[in-house]
Amino acid sequence: AQTVTQSQPEMSVQEAETVTLSCTYDTSESNYYLFWYKQPPSRQMILVIRQEAYKQQNATENRFSVNFQKAAKSFSLKISDSQLGDTAMYFCGGSGANNLFFGTGTRLTVIP
Amino acid sequence: DTAVSQTPKYLVTQMGNDKSIKCEQNLGHDTMYWYKQDSKKFLKIMFSYNNKELIINETVPNRFSPKSPDKAHLNLHINSLELGDSAVYFCASSQDRKGTYGYTFGSGTRLTVV
Repeated sequence: AQTVTQSQPEMSVQEAETVTLSCTYDTSESNYYLFWYKQPPSRQMILVIRQEAYKQQNATENRFSVNFQKAAKSFSLKISDSQLGDTAMYFCGGSGANNLFFGTGTRLTVIP
Repeated sequence: DTAVSQTPKYLVTQMGNDKSIKCEQNLGHDTMYWYKQDSKKFLKIMFSYNNKELIINETVPNRFSPKSPDKAHLNLHINSLELGDSAVYFCASSQDRKGTYGYTFGSGTRLTVV
């Protein structure tokens, strides 16, 4: 079974500051992948970053990076130099045998 | 070119009606999915098909019936619509069953049952 928990329903950050969104997961899979998706008001689901569980190195994509702690089953997302366009729902997800399980999401607001 | 396209984007219908949502992907992916996003934004898997074969059928009322005529298409038919079916429905695809390279989502279909 796979579960994903996001304990922060809402967060806010000042423009240009850094914010970290938390995510923990549980899985019985030995080989799995972890993702962060962004859903702006347009409702489109956009892949932000992807982590292969067998890689120890944390993934980075421009201003987005993760802190992947496999033993603790933790996968947090750090957004640096926050921009107004980062305002969105952020979903943490983990891939199981055949599909992607999501957490309940964190609503992030970037304040000008 | 839209990678995963869903039609329609919006659907308003009366209780008891039957409706379909269509999904097509032009990415050559093997696996396709239907997700339901409720009013609290929670995303829940409904169905998954791999090369036209049903591989996941979560606890969903049997009024919902997916159909995959080929691996590029996954349609969702809903019979006898109920108020509680109102939600946003997302189609998605992935290159393989494990989502090795990530998942690509359609833009969603907002279904409103009145």
